[in-house]
Amino acid sequence: ETGVTQTPRHLVMGMTNKKSLKCEQHLGHNAMYWYKQSAKKPLELMFVYNFKEQTENNSVPSRFSPECPNSSHLFLHLHTLQPEDSALYLCASSQERRETQYFGPGTRLLVL
Amino acid sequence: ILNVEQSPQSLHVQEGDSTNFTCSFPSSNFYALHWYRWETAKSPEALFVMTLNGDEKKKGRISATLNTKEGYSYLYIKGSQPEDSATYLCAFMGNDYKLSFGAGTTVTVRA
Repeated sequence: ETGVTQTPRHLVMGMTNKKSLKCEQHLGHNAMYWYKQSAKKPLELMFVYNFKEQTENNSVPSRFSPECPNSSHLFLHLHTLQPEDSALYLCASSQERRETQYFGPGTRLLVL
Repeated sequence: ILNVEQSPQSLHVQEGDSTNFTCSFPSSNFYALHWYRWETAKSPEALFVMTLNGDEKKKGRISATLNTKEGYSYLYIKGSQPEDSATYLCAFMGNDYKLSFGAGTTVTVRA
């Protein structure tokens, strides 16, 4: 149990759908992250939130919209995605930006 | 985009044998080097965080070394067991505290 949970674990959506990924951390951490892993590629940082404020947007298309309502929860809202957005989306948290990041198990997303 | 390379991409090891693999990373703006172990359908698990040149860390049968001047880290598994089968990721953390991951080395231990 890493203390970072993600729901749903699997998601299939059409290109016109709107869906949201949820991440929750039970570790009392101040920083939260979204990563993407496409097939046969390394994990790629998407967004960083530090004390609920977004501090990094790694040139992510606007069809991905993050939200951090409090320091324990992080959402990724998905709208009009493309098939190439199919990937594993991982959430992570850390006490401070420079410290070890703890990961959730990921959401496997398929866009049809 | 930072160049973090891991080699080999995959390896097969006989149970009981020892093995090692490499992570290479930029030698400038270095803050830390992280190693993770990732089993299929599970969360990546933090193994080590290494910050100082010459650092050596150990956790059970797994150990790691760090050379920040030449930009490489080795991870060693001694006496491999089937439960060591996983993908091992290294990640470079620069002075901006962002993690740049390698593609991983997938280890399969044959009984």
